Amino acid sequence: GQSLEQPSEVTAVEGAIVQINCTYQTSGFYGLSWYQQHDGGAPTFLSYNGLDGLEETGRFSSFLSRSDSYGYLLLQELQMKDSASYFCASSGAGSYQLTFGKGTKLSVIP
Amino acid sequence: EAGVTQSPTHLIKTRGQQATLRCSPISGHTSVYWYQQALGLGLQFLLWYDEGEERNRGNFPPRFSGRQFPNYSSELNVNALELEDSALYLCASSPLNTEAFFGQGTRLTVV
Repeated sequence: GQSLEQPSEVTAVEGAIVQINCTYQTSGFYGLSWYQQHDGGAPTFLSYNGLDGLEETGRFSSFLSRSDSYGYLLLQELQMKDSASYFCASSGAGSYQLTFGKGTKLSVIP
Repeated sequence: EAGVTQSPTHLIKTRGQQATLRCSPISGHTSVYWYQQALGLGLQFLLWYDEGEERNRGNFPPRFSGRQFPNYSSELNVNALELEDSALYLCASSPLNTEAFFGQGTRLTVV
C-alpha cells in the first residue's frame, strides 16, 4: 500500500517563500506529483518528480529524494491567489492511479 | 480543447437510493480515474478504467461500480447510498503519463 504525510496547514506572508513537505511510504514507488486545489475547484497539476532532484516551473519548484522517501514543493514570491490546498501524490510502476496525501491548506496573508 | 467534463454538478439523493455520475475524458485520453473527496479529507482512489476495462479499484465496497464506454466516457454508480457517501466525486483522465487532468466534480449529498 501507499501512504503520504504532509502538514495540514501552513500560513505565509505575501511575497515570501514557503516549503510544503511530503513524506511517503509506498511499495513500487514510481514518482511524486503535486496538485493545487482552490476551494470548490478541481485539482490542477503543478509538478512531477520521477528522478531525484529539483524540478523548476516558474515560481514553483519540487524536489524528490528517493533515499529519504521525501519530497517538497517550494513556492516563491507568494501571491494571495496561491491560497489553496496542495496535495502530494504518488504513482506506482505499472499502475497509473495516484495515491494522495490529505493535503496542506496554504493561507497567504498580506 | 475541452477538458474533462462531469455531470451532474450537484446531486441530492436519499439514503438507499442509487446515484449515477458521468464523466467525459479529454479527447484522445483512454484512461479514466474516479476519486472520492470527502470533506476535509484527501482524494481517495475509487476506480481506474482503460480501454473499456476496469484496471484497478480502491478500497471501496462493491456497491461502488462503474463502466467505460467505447467512446471512453465513463459512469460511476453508487448503490444503496449511505450518508457517508456524501462527498465530491472527481473524475480524471490521463494519456497514461504522469499528469492527470481533473473535472470539476459532482457534489453528491445523501440525506
